[in-house]
Amino acid sequence: GDSVTQMEGPVTLSEEAFLTINCTYTATGYPSLFWYVQYPGEGLQLLLKATKADDKGSNKGFEATYRKETTSFHLEKGSVQVSDSAVYFCALKSRRALTFGSGTRLQVQP
Amino acid sequence: EPEVTQTPSHQVTQMGQEVILRCVPISNHLYFYWYRQILGQKVEFLVSFYNNEISEKSEIFDDQFSVERPDGSNFTLKIRSTKLEDSAMYFCASNSPLDRAFFGQGTRLTVV
Repeated sequence: GDSVTQMEGPVTLSEEAFLTINCTYTATGYPSLFWYVQYPGEGLQLLLKATKADDKGSNKGFEATYRKETTSFHLEKGSVQVSDSAVYFCALKSRRALTFGSGTRLQVQP
Repeated sequence: EPEVTQTPSHQVTQMGQEVILRCVPISNHLYFYWYRQILGQKVEFLVSFYNNEISEKSEIFDDQFSVERPDGSNFTLKIRSTKLEDSAMYFCASNSPLDRAFFGQGTRLTVV
């Protein structure tokens, strides 16, 4: 069945550091890929998405590229801010509803 | 931005009791979902609902669970006889056919 594996957290970075959160997936067919973010006390919000191979999703300085050859969708940001502190979820959607990874908590220190 | 609203934000219940978690999806959306996240674990799909019936459900969604859209606005998840292992954060989501899913802020269910 479909599955998503992401790096375990927490990830602790200083402000302006470079961020990578790894995500790999297993799916039949050609899924769409997503990154969701959950800020403290809030629901899941879509951060970015990519619907086919080599697509790059981007939003708020975050980027992720759909790599079919490595079945990956790693999240990157060149310079993180304290306000980026949240839990980040990688997810895929093929035939059914979303399949999520376990989430990675990011803590950015001033 | 439109919002999916869930109530209550936190529910504590005794084992064996019935609970109803409530959601108000975005008004023009047609597809509705429940997901759950046990503390420290993955967000897991429970059920999807379209055209007033369940369109898909996971292995987790057994006979203890049911969903309803009792009126034009609410979408509820009922757990008939709660177990300790039902303690989790429950998320409601909705979407229109060509749009992304919007999630609520979640209901934290604690079974004691």
